[in-house]
Amino acid sequence: EAGVVQSPRYKIIEKKQPVAFWCNPISGHNTLYWYRQNLGQGPELLIRYENEEAVDDSQLPKDRFSAERLKGVDSTLKIQPAELGDSAVYLCASSLGGTGRQETQYFGPGTRLLVL
Amino acid sequence: LAKTTQPISMDSYEGQEVNITCSHNNIATNDYITWYQQFPSQGPRFIIQGYKTKVTNEVASLFIPADRKSSTLSLPRVSLSDTAVYYCLVGDTNAGKSTFGDGTTLTVKP
Repeated sequence: EAGVVQSPRYKIIEKKQPVAFWCNPISGHNTLYWYRQNLGQGPELLIRYENEEAVDDSQLPKDRFSAERLKGVDSTLKIQPAELGDSAVYLCASSLGGTGRQETQYFGPGTRLLVL
Repeated sequence: LAKTTQPISMDSYEGQEVNITCSHNNIATNDYITWYQQFPSQGPRFIIQGYKTKVTNEVASLFIPADRKSSTLSLPRVSLSDTAVYYCLVGDTNAGKSTFGDGTTLTVKP
């Protein structure tokens, strides 16, 4: 079974440029998460989707970050414009969804972003 | 959200049993306790989950006392490949409402 796929794995951009990350979750997983992980810290949830609906985006900096999951499968996270402080690893995870309990999340390898 | 507290780091030697304790004093009735492992340049990986008492799988055991205000992840006979960051999560039945702390960096020495 294929795991969570993310691309690109690495991205270097200059500040004020836009950047986008793509995630394809495990087949059949209805819940999709985007996390940001700064060096030496745990992952911080940015947004969670149940199918195509964003059910928790309280930690997403909406002035510059946006996300979409149009068909309830793969998802894109965008930053525009990027700032130096956005340098981090962006992790995507998925879980079955709808089980009514804390679910096992399966993580992708992440995209390491460096903003110069 | 229940806040968790873990030691920042731990050292061990190959073949030893390692116990990592997580404090979660304000755990709610519906909260489960989940542990993840993360290697450098990889996403976290699920290790074990429990609600109360003891849970064991092929890689670890999880001990949860009756008051559920703490939990202990036990790794039997660690090897060098167990060197990683271990995260304790406590969350309610609504998936995604749990928060990662900064984890415990376990270093296994030969």
